[in-house]
Amino acid sequence: GIQVEQSPPDLILQEGANSTLRCNFSDSVNNLQWFHQNPWGQLINLFYIPSGTKQNGRLSATTVATERYSLLYISSSQTTDSGVYFCAAGSNFGNEKLTFGTGTRLTIIP
Amino acid sequence: NAGVTQTPKFQVLKTGQSMTLQCAQDMNHNSMYWYRQDPGMGLRLIYYSASEGTTDKGEVPNGYNVSRLNKREFSLRLESAAPSQTSVYFCASSGDRAGEQFFGPGTRLTVL
Repeated sequence: GIQVEQSPPDLILQEGANSTLRCNFSDSVNNLQWFHQNPWGQLINLFYIPSGTKQNGRLSATTVATERYSLLYISSSQTTDSGVYFCAAGSNFGNEKLTFGTGTRLTIIP
Repeated sequence: NAGVTQTPKFQVLKTGQSMTLQCAQDMNHNSMYWYRQDPGMGLRLIYYSASEGTTDKGEVPNGYNVSRLNKREFSLRLESAAPSQTSVYFCASSGDRAGEQFFGPGTRLTVL
């Protein structure tokens, strides 16, 4: 099945800094999502982005499907951005399954 | 709209006990899913239902059964709980096969 790798595994930043999180996947995809899991465990949908670029406030994401990677950009970080960011991909050749990466743990220091 | 709801939020079981986790969605979605999340890991698919009346195995189905009761509800049953099933369980739904998936708040299950 499809493999999903995220980097870096951990990231510690000062409030106000910018960051880029990367997601590599091993197969062509028909679904690519980014989630934020907050400290209470809730999974929050950030982007549904199997291709192209989207922006939502301080967050934006780009998926280059032909090169099999996606990037999540966070600008002007706030302490509420802390948590784990997951990328999940669904293969064109798979079933309904979303395969999750192991996440990037982001800690924003005041 | 409540989105995806799950009950219970927390549960403690003894080895060998059974229980059913309930999930409901009010978005008129066709597809529903059950995932588990173990510490320090991403989610893994247990079972899914592409439409009312159909269910299929995911990556880690052993020890679980599911029922797609109607379009809104998808339940997960543990017939004889084992400590290896201690995990956080998430239900999700999507409008179609490759559509965006939306997740419930999760059920934290501990099996002693």
